[in-house]
Amino acid sequence: QQQVKQSPQSLIVQKGGISIINCAYENTAFDYFPWYQQFPGKGPALLIAIRPDVSEKKEGRFTISFNKSAKQFSLHIMDSQPGDSATYFCAATYNFNKFYFGSGTKLNVKP
Amino acid sequence: DTAVSQTPKYLVTQMGNDKSIKCEQNLGHDTMYWYKQDSKKFLKIMFSYNNKELIINETVPNRFSPKSPDKAHLNLHINSLELGDSAVYFCASSHMQGSGELFFGEGSRLTVL
Repeated sequence: QQQVKQSPQSLIVQKGGISIINCAYENTAFDYFPWYQQFPGKGPALLIAIRPDVSEKKEGRFTISFNKSAKQFSLHIMDSQPGDSATYFCAATYNFNKFYFGSGTKLNVKP
Repeated sequence: DTAVSQTPKYLVTQMGNDKSIKCEQNLGHDTMYWYKQDSKKFLKIMFSYNNKELIINETVPNRFSPKSPDKAHLNLHINSLELGDSAVYFCASSHMQGSGELFFGEGSRLTVL
């Protein structure tokens, strides 16, 4: 059973547009929700993360929106750039014991 | 000055062979992991070691055997390789008592022919 469900599987956005990736989780015990960015041939790298006691976290052009009651969180990339083209993974964990990853979203930002 | 390094980066081998992947981290972390990424990019945890002690052992065939000689190293040995073992294997580390952030290596792409 997949603990974290991610959509869409792939996304094409024009340069300057907004990219939105959504995730939903089941386990209300999860207390940390990171997003990872993976470029081809590289390992995933932490992009931004949020705890469930806040509804939004912003770092530069990247924002996580968190809806605790709906058990959903999303990544928004503002002013998307071709260099943002990568695969994005949401994840969730309880007490950093085990990380459960979403299935990934391949983002392609067209110049 | 790589934080999490794993070797080899690429591995091509025949079915039935035995192979090993090595991982080292220089971040001073206390926990290390092996993740498997399949052709659909799905990341699945296989094993986790905290201070050389196995703490997570997912439903993985016993042909896969991890070994942690010390906190900075975690190796993965695979016996009797099968076609379905073809994947990218990622080593990762974290400091469970700290930020908990996962740091991944660059992956080892295993192809079984």
